[in-house]
Amino acid sequence: QKEVEQNSGPLSVPEGAIASLNCTYSDRGSQSFFWYRQYSGKSPELIMFIYSNGDKEDGRFTAQLNKASQYVSLLIRDSQPSDSATYLCAVNLPSGGSYIPTFGRGTSLIVHP
Amino acid sequence: ETGVTQSPTHLIKTRGQQVTLRCSSQSGHNTVSWYQQALGQGPQFIFQYYREEENGRGNFPPRFSGLQFPNYSSELNVNALELDDSALYLCASSQQETQYFGPGTRLLVL
Repeated sequence: QKEVEQNSGPLSVPEGAIASLNCTYSDRGSQSFFWYRQYSGKSPELIMFIYSNGDKEDGRFTAQLNKASQYVSLLIRDSQPSDSATYLCAVNLPSGGSYIPTFGRGTSLIVHP
Repeated sequence: ETGVTQSPTHLIKTRGQQVTLRCSSQSGHNTVSWYQQALGQGPQFIFQYYREEENGRGNFPPRFSGLQFPNYSSELNVNALELDDSALYLCASSQQETQYFGPGTRLLVL
């Protein structure tokens, strides 16, 4: 079964700390990796995407991709209470000659003051 | 705001009925994907349309069908509704691989 796995949490961090969110995927042929934030009752909002091995930084967010180990992570520096949300990892998994966008179940992040 | 709109926002149906959900893409986006998100789960891919043709399908039965129109807006149709179809239905538009989600339609099947 082709999967994207995330720890459901909740992950609780104090305000100002670094939050580290992890995601593993099952297929080495996967391309394109995305992180979304979803507030309760709202739709997912794109935070970052990453295509190549290594780190990609955007403001307080850093995405890290390691294709050999099949994981992708999201670091949030200087976490704020407004970062409290569910973070969804999405991977384009190969399927029958194309790619299927596949989401993990999400990790709940709580940033407490 | 992503520029992707969906209607209706909420809907209540009974088992066995049919439902049509609608989505308007962000301007310039020629690809629309539909997802089902059950409570506490990540979105599950239903299918994708590119320039009015189905361009990929997830593990959903044929009673889930769709259309994309020349203006790239889209419909999701679900026939013979089941209780387990109760979920948030999301559409996402894209020009390349980056998807932007609409606000979703929350469907309750009784």
